[in-house]
Amino acid sequence: EAGVAQSPRYKIIEKRQSVAFWCNPISGHATLYWYQQILGQGPKLLIQFQNNGVVDDSQLPKDRFSAERLKGVDSTLKIQPAKLEDSAVYLCASSLSGSENSPLHFGNGTRLTVT
Amino acid sequence: AQSVTQLGSHVSVSEGALVLLRCNYSSSVPPYLFWYVQYPNQGLQLLLKYTSAATLVKGINGFEAEFKKSETSFHLTKPSAHMSDAAEYFCAVNQGSNYKLTFGKGTLLTVNP
Repeated sequence: EAGVAQSPRYKIIEKRQSVAFWCNPISGHATLYWYQQILGQGPKLLIQFQNNGVVDDSQLPKDRFSAERLKGVDSTLKIQPAKLEDSAVYLCASSLSGSENSPLHFGNGTRLTVT
Repeated sequence: AQSVTQLGSHVSVSEGALVLLRCNYSSSVPPYLFWYVQYPNQGLQLLLKYTSAATLVKGINGFEAEFKKSETSFHLTKPSAHMSDAAEYFCAVNQGSNYKLTFGKGTLLTVNP
């Protein structure tokens, strides 16, 4: 089966610019997650979707970050405006049902550098 | 809130030696625990998971982990390290019924020839 696809793989922007990341989950997976992984740290959940509805966005900085999952398939994560501390790898993951018996499958991530 | 602590940000072993990566959890309810591996410039891959069945869990690539409630630990082991095991390893605990994973800070494993 095809894995979780993310693009772009790398992005370099200046602070105060905007950026968008795209994720295509595994076909049929209802749950989609965006994680932020800062260098030297473990991934931190930003937002979790179940189909096209938001399940948890408690750690999403909503003043600058937004995410959507139209039609319950692909998802985009946007940052506007970016700050230096947003430099990180943004990982997308999907699971079949969002339960403990349905493991997460991760994409290779998008590495963002904000200068 | 549930959390995990990984002891040692960097572990170095010789090829063929025992691998031991430590993880302790904090949870007010029986947790679900996971180990993931991340190779350079790749996403995370599930190694194994504990979901309250057997306390000794076997995963891929010869890794296993033992859930010890009395020690609140879920350490990852492998009897004999291979060069291909060099990667970063993350322990994680689920949080709530939404299967939201909280990750530790990771342990970088280096395997020396």
